[in-house]
Amino acid sequence: DVKVTQSSRYLVKRTGEKVFLECVQDMDHENMFWYRQDPGLGLRLIYFSYDVKMKEKGDIPEGYSVSREKKERFSLILESASTNQTSMYLCASNQGHSYEQYFGPGTRLTVT
Amino acid sequence: GEDVEQSLFLSVREGDSSVINCTYTDSSSTYLYWYKQEPGAGLQLLTYIFSNMDMKQDQRLTVLLNKKDKHLSLRIADTQTGDSAIYFCAGGGGATNKLIFGTGTLLAVQP
Repeated sequence: DVKVTQSSRYLVKRTGEKVFLECVQDMDHENMFWYRQDPGLGLRLIYFSYDVKMKEKGDIPEGYSVSREKKERFSLILESASTNQTSMYLCASNQGHSYEQYFGPGTRLTVT
Repeated sequence: GEDVEQSLFLSVREGDSSVINCTYTDSSSTYLYWYKQEPGAGLQLLTYIFSNMDMKQDQRLTVLLNKKDKHLSLRIADTQTGDSAIYFCAGGGGATNKLIFGTGTLLAVQP
């Protein structure tokens, strides 16, 4: 079975802190994605990566950056956390041109 | 860009059928998906339909696709309390592997 893991289930940070969210997949998938999930807004794509060191902006990249130094790991970085970045963050991966995405359990981030 | 809409909430009694609806604007999606999110968990793929199909049945699940009206539905027969979750429709297609997700429908099953 595909396994996508995220470093934390719950995280509380202060405004202005730098925040790292880590995602690891164990199926050698080429593509990895970061979403945020907010009530009534569904999932919105922040960034995605289709190869090591490659990244593409999604629909809401402002205030975020990403890093993909190894194929299995995709990190989401909040350079200076703000309260409007309080949300559930979901990581996903898929293989090549397959559209089916496999999701991690999510990280609920609260910025105070 | 693509817009995918769902009603926010549906309540049914255990044993009844549930129908969750989804409308989309971009007809270029090759596949259309239904994902399920249980409380505190990530999304799990439930089922999918290829865009040249009208219907797909998978045990208690029936997916209907009306391409003319750009409408997708998921019917769950004999709904159980374990079906209580948020259900997302999503479309994929085009040059990238991106999926566009709907807003999600919270299904509450009353015993």
